[in-house]
Amino acid sequence: DTEVTQTPKHLVMGMTNKKSLKCEQHMGHRAMYWYKQKAKKPPELMFVYSYEKLSINESVPSRFSPECPNSSLLNLHLHALQPEDSALYLCASSQYGTGVSPLHFGNGTRLTVT
Amino acid sequence: DQQVKQNSPSLSVQEGRISILNCDYTNSMFDYFLWYKKYPAEGPTFLISISSIKDKNEDGRFTVFLNKSAKHLSLHIVPSQPGDSAVYFCAGTMDSNYQLIWGAGTKLIIKP
Repeated sequence: DTEVTQTPKHLVMGMTNKKSLKCEQHMGHRAMYWYKQKAKKPPELMFVYSYEKLSINESVPSRFSPECPNSSLLNLHLHALQPEDSALYLCASSQYGTGVSPLHFGNGTRLTVT
Repeated sequence: DQQVKQNSPSLSVQEGRISILNCDYTNSMFDYFLWYKKYPAEGPTFLISISSIKDKNEDGRFTVFLNKSAKHLSLHIVPSQPGDSAVYFCAGTMDSNYQLIWGAGTKLIIKP
């Protein structure tokens, strides 16, 4: 069982919908991440929260809006997405927000934009 | 510019034999490397890491070797088991940096 929990597992949404992805960890980690992964590609970093503050935004379009309500929770709000945004969205956490701190991933949300 | 390269998209190995997965990098500033394993429909799982001050790190059946002069690292799995069938990603990073630079992954298939 993964220690990072993501909901929902699958999501299908139209281009005019608003939806949210949720992520939760209870390992006391201080950094949380959103990654996007397309088929046969490595994960692609989107956002990093360190100590509940947004520290990195990898030039992600504004139709993706992250939120970190507290140190255990991370949300990704979706609005007006495009079909090319269909992908596996992975949440991860790490003890510290540096690359040497191993990432613990959730099992992802499979998003399909129609 | 691909800073981390895994040139073998796939690798097939007999159960019980050694699996060797290779990774090359171009950024000499990397001082830490990590390997992740990914099963279908799951998130990646951290496997093993190595600091650039070492040339070998071992954890059970998994050993990672680092050759800094060649900018090459390899992951050895001995003996290979059916549960090792997965996609393996190599990633490099700098201690001061948040960012992992990922390779494209190698799909390992363990044949019974």
